Amino acid sequence: DIQLTQSPSFLSASVGDRVTITCRASQGISSYLAWYQQKPGKAPKLLIYAASTLQSGVPSRFSGSGSGTEFTLTISSLQPEDFATYYCQQLTSYPYTFGQGTKLEIK
Amino acid sequence: EVQLVESGGGLVQPGGSLRLSCAASGFTFSTYDMHWVRLVTGKGLEWVSGIGTTGNTYYPGSVKGRFTISRENAKNSLYLQMNSLRAGDTAVYYCAREARTRTSNYYSYYMDVWGKGTTVTVSS
Repeated sequence: DIQLTQSPSFLSASVGDRVTITCRASQGISSYLAWYQQKPGKAPKLLIYAASTLQSGVPSRFSGSGSGTEFTLTISSLQPEDFATYYCQQLTSYPYTFGQGTKLEIK
Repeated sequence: EVQLVESGGGLVQPGGSLRLSCAASGFTFSTYDMHWVRLVTGKGLEWVSGIGTTGNTYYPGSVKGRFTISRENAKNSLYLQMNSLRAGDTAVYYCAREARTRTSNYYSYYMDVWGKGTTVTVSS
C-alpha cells in the first residue's frame, strides 16, 4: 500500500500568513494527488486535483505543486475561513490512501 | 443540483451488522465510480471501499471480508453492508463520487462530490 505522510500534523498561524503543508508518498504516484479541506461537522471539500489543478470555485490563494513523491499545498494569505484540517489523497492505485491530516489553527 | 445523501447509520453492538445507503441525484450515477470514506475521530480520513461502473469492487485490508460495497443504478443508490463490526469502525461514513478529467495525455482522478455523512457507533 502507498503511505502518505503529511507535515506538519499541527500548524498554528495568523490571518494573512503564508503557509505550506507537505505530503510525501512512500513511492512515486506521478501527479495522482488531491487535497481536501475539512471543517468540524462538515464533509471534506476538494481543493486541488492532479497535484496542481485548482477545483472550480476554490479561491486562488490555494495552490498545489509537486510530482512523484513530494507535494505541497500552499495558502498564500490565510483567511479566517481557512482554519480547518487538510488532507492529501493518492488515487494512483488501490487501496486509495489519505495522509494523516494537518490541523491548521489560529495563533 | 448534484447531491449525495447517506442514511442508515446508528448504534450497533460489537459483532453486529449495519447497512448504509447513499442516494444520488443531479448526475448520471451509472457513469461514475463511487466510494465510501470514513472519518474516525482523532485519526482522520480513511478510504473504506470503492466500486466501478462495471461493478468491480475494492477494499483496504482493514475491512476486506467484513464490508461489501454495492450499487443499484436503476435506483441511483450506493450501499455498504458492514458485518462483524468492531469498536474501531466507529466513524462518520461519507459516500463520494470519483470524477476523472483528461489532463494533457493522461486522466486525473479525484473525489469531487461528497455527502454530509452518517454516523456509525459500535459499542456495547
